[in-house]
Amino acid sequence: QVKLQQSGAELVKPGASVKLSCKTSGYTFSTSYMSWFKQIPGQSIEWIGMIYAGDGGTGYNQKFKGKATLTVDTSSSTAYMDLSSLTTEDSAVYFCARLLRGLVVMDAWGQGASVTVSS
Amino acid sequence: DVQMTQSPSYLAASPGESVSISCKASKSINTYLAWYQEKPGKTNKLLIYSGSTLQSGTPSRFSGSGSGTDFTLTIRSLEPEDFAVYYCQQHNEYPLTFGSGTKLEIK
Repeated sequence: QVKLQQSGAELVKPGASVKLSCKTSGYTFSTSYMSWFKQIPGQSIEWIGMIYAGDGGTGYNQKFKGKATLTVDTSSSTAYMDLSSLTTEDSAVYFCARLLRGLVVMDAWGQGASVTVSS
Repeated sequence: DVQMTQSPSYLAASPGESVSISCKASKSINTYLAWYQEKPGKTNKLLIYSGSTLQSGTPSRFSGSGSGTDFTLTIRSLEPEDFAVYYCQQHNEYPLTFGSGTKLEIK
């Protein structure tokens, strides 16, 4: 079955960067789109951006340009998100999610990865 | 950005009852509205997209309606597993935006 397995929780210092991973299985990764999301517990979900695994083409929410960088490794069917220059406002749970073919809705989600930014 | 306003934020109901959740967009999104279910310990689940199309595996007691700016998720005859948080999401334009969520609790 379709599975998106995210990397574990991260505790990072302000100003540092972190790279989150999302390893997929159960479908053809190389012809799929992946989106990433930010959610502060108890709050709503924010869309960060999306990437097409076929050619690495990306689209970002203007709010996260310069903060997030999306990449993929088709050899391992894994998507990555780099978050840079972290501040306490970046503390949140981050999700990866596969787009349903042909639509900008997400039909499979990762379990989420908590990022805590603290000195 | 399209602002999505969900109501109510909290809803208490009993198994067997029917409930409705509203989602309003700040401008027309045609019928491009999706609904998701969030439950502790489980990954988010897509229930409905394009306003009223049930995702594969979504029970028929779930239904979605609406177009333009006003949308509704209705759950008929609540089952114990339906108590969760529900989010709407517009998929008409970028950036994708979500409602603030509705927590459906057991009365």
